[in-house]
Amino acid sequence: SAVISQKPSRDICQRGTSLTIQCQVDSQVTMMFWYRQQPGQSLTLIATANQGSEATYESGFVIDKFPISRPNLTFSTLTVSNMSPEDSSIYLCSVLLAGSSYNEQFFGPGTRLTVL
Amino acid sequence: SQQGEEDPQALSIQEGENATMNCSYKTSINNLQWYRQNSGRGLVHLILIRSNEREKHSGRLRVTLDTSKKSSSLLITASRAADTASYFCATDDTGGFKTIFGAGTRLFVKA
Repeated sequence: SAVISQKPSRDICQRGTSLTIQCQVDSQVTMMFWYRQQPGQSLTLIATANQGSEATYESGFVIDKFPISRPNLTFSTLTVSNMSPEDSSIYLCSVLLAGSSYNEQFFGPGTRLTVL
Repeated sequence: SQQGEEDPQALSIQEGENATMNCSYKTSINNLQWYRQNSGRGLVHLILIRSNEREKHSGRLRVTLDTSKKSSSLLITASRAADTASYFCATDDTGGFKTIFGAGTRLFVKA
């Protein structure tokens, strides 16, 4: 397993501002992902964070709204830009550990975002 | 993309009873996983079952997989109040590394 930390754990933000969420892992990982979980809903994949190159976004998510960085194997950031109340969600990062079972993901504790 | 669909959406039981949750999916998979999420927190991986497996146990958990019916079930035996959480099934995206999550079952275990 791995220890995955996210910062901040929660935040309350004003409409039109941006928030950057950090994800740090204490082990070598092969892949990192960012998910959104809207209130009472399941998880939706936003993008796969690629080291040293642009993230791979899922349908409905764009780089201008959710820019992602992954400067090394164990760290990634997700920015929620120009926020609106509809962006209020829990944002979770997850990882596939190097040498782990296929697709057995480990999740961070999540960042609970409220946009006023 | 495929998605696991789970039923029931919510389940309320007494402590000590068994809880069964079901998951159906649409296309072929390599494996299926179950996760638990305590209120508003990160997901915890419970168990992974591969497409060539039919049943798997882990402590009080029993998972079955029927690939002919494209369905899986998660059984929690002798439930405890601490089992109160949301449970999600997740299937892989064949040919890639993406995991697709179902809508989840909210389990309430009353003490």
